[in-house]
Amino acid sequence: DTVLTQSPALAVSPGERVTISCRASESVSTLMHWYQQKPGQQPTLLIYLASNLESGVPARFSGSGSGTDFTLTIDPVEADDTATYYCQQSWNDPPTFGGGTKLELK
Amino acid sequence: EVQLQESGPGLVKPSQSLSLTCSVTGYSITSNYWGWIRKFPGNKMEWMGYISYSGSTSYNPSLKSRISITRDTSKNQFFLQLNSVTTEDTATYYCARSLNWELCFDYWGQGVMVTVSS
Repeated sequence: DTVLTQSPALAVSPGERVTISCRASESVSTLMHWYQQKPGQQPTLLIYLASNLESGVPARFSGSGSGTDFTLTIDPVEADDTATYYCQQSWNDPPTFGGGTKLELK
Repeated sequence: EVQLQESGPGLVKPSQSLSLTCSVTGYSITSNYWGWIRKFPGNKMEWMGYISYSGSTSYNPSLKSRISITRDTSKNQFFLQLNSVTTEDTATYYCARSLNWELCFDYWGQGVMVTVSS
């Protein structure tokens, strides 16, 4: 299975720019997606196909990358962005998720 | 608006079968792809499988011998059955929709926590 590696946690101040990385153990082309999950809630889709903003998601969120290295950027970060962020690939079978990056605000 | 809601027992005994229902409103399950994803304690997430608009299925090979996903189009519901469960199947189970084969999940249910314990 394709392993997706994310940093476990990040802490930033409101108004700053934050980048969350996801590295794949093999190429996933651009079939990488990003989700936000807040405690007690279901995941919500932020970015699909590496760089496409899901409808209704604030333009503060953006995604980039291809192959094995991907980035989710939030600029500027707001207090409401406190959550865990997951990457997910669907190029290789089976689809797999990263371990999640917990974003905390200082 | 598309809404998904999982239902089923919150406690299952080891070696028994886990059965969950996903009820979908606002959209027909005869379109797109409908999947099951679970999140373990400790936050690891696992894609379990899907049933497509045509009724075809695809499963995670790690579960292939134990899993079955079926549907009832008249009720707009799809189902998960996982056999021979162990404590390692304790997780929150989500149903979700993908618009296409790219398996990017744009709508999710709220999730149901299932504990496997005697």
